[in-house]
Amino acid sequence: SYVMTQPPSLSVAPGQTARITCGGNNIGSKSVHWYQQKPGQAPALVVYDDTDRPSGIPERFSASNSGNTATLTISRVEAGDEADYFCQVWGTSDHPVFGGGTKLTVL
Amino acid sequence: QVHLVQSGAEVKKPGSSVKVSCKASGSTFSRYAISWVRQAPGQGLEWMGGVIPLLGIANYAQKFQGRVTITADTSTNTVYMELSSLKSEDTAVYYCAHQLTGDVKWFDPWGQGTLVTVSS
Repeated sequence: SYVMTQPPSLSVAPGQTARITCGGNNIGSKSVHWYQQKPGQAPALVVYDDTDRPSGIPERFSASNSGNTATLTISRVEAGDEADYFCQVWGTSDHPVFGGGTKLTVL
Repeated sequence: QVHLVQSGAEVKKPGSSVKVSCKASGSTFSRYAISWVRQAPGQGLEWMGGVIPLLGIANYAQKFQGRVTITADTSTNTVYMELSSLKSEDTAVYYCAHQLTGDVKWFDPWGQGTLVTVSS
């Protein structure tokens, strides 16, 4: 089945930019979706179809997808952005697949 | 806006079964889909299977084939996930997650999660 790799952790100072990557074989040919999961909460969609934001998600959240890497970018990071972030695609077996997740720590 | 509410936490013995419910309310399109995704303690997200309630057709991840059954009651907009032959490794939070239609490939929103603990 399709495998996606995320860095386990990332630390960023407030006000800086966080870039969370999701690697996969030719992932640029797939639609990538991103979820934010805060401690004790359910995941929440922050980006869908590579670059689109659901209503209510700040413009600070943006994303791109090309080649073998998809990237979620969080600009002007705030303390409230501290969470786990997961990428997701629809895999080769026509089932959804999630990346392992990246824990974002705001210093 | 769609809202998903799940049933409460469960404690089960190894070898038994658990059935978790997920009730949808709000502006649901007729051909919406519901998936079940679980998360073991400190781990990532794992898709188990899903159903389009209107069609009553479920599909499952190969890992759970034969052990999971997902059903839907369209009269109450409730989807059920039953997992049998429970093992300690099934201890996890189980989430239901909504797709606008079966062709939409992202999940929004998610239920609040149901903790299932398997322990003797």
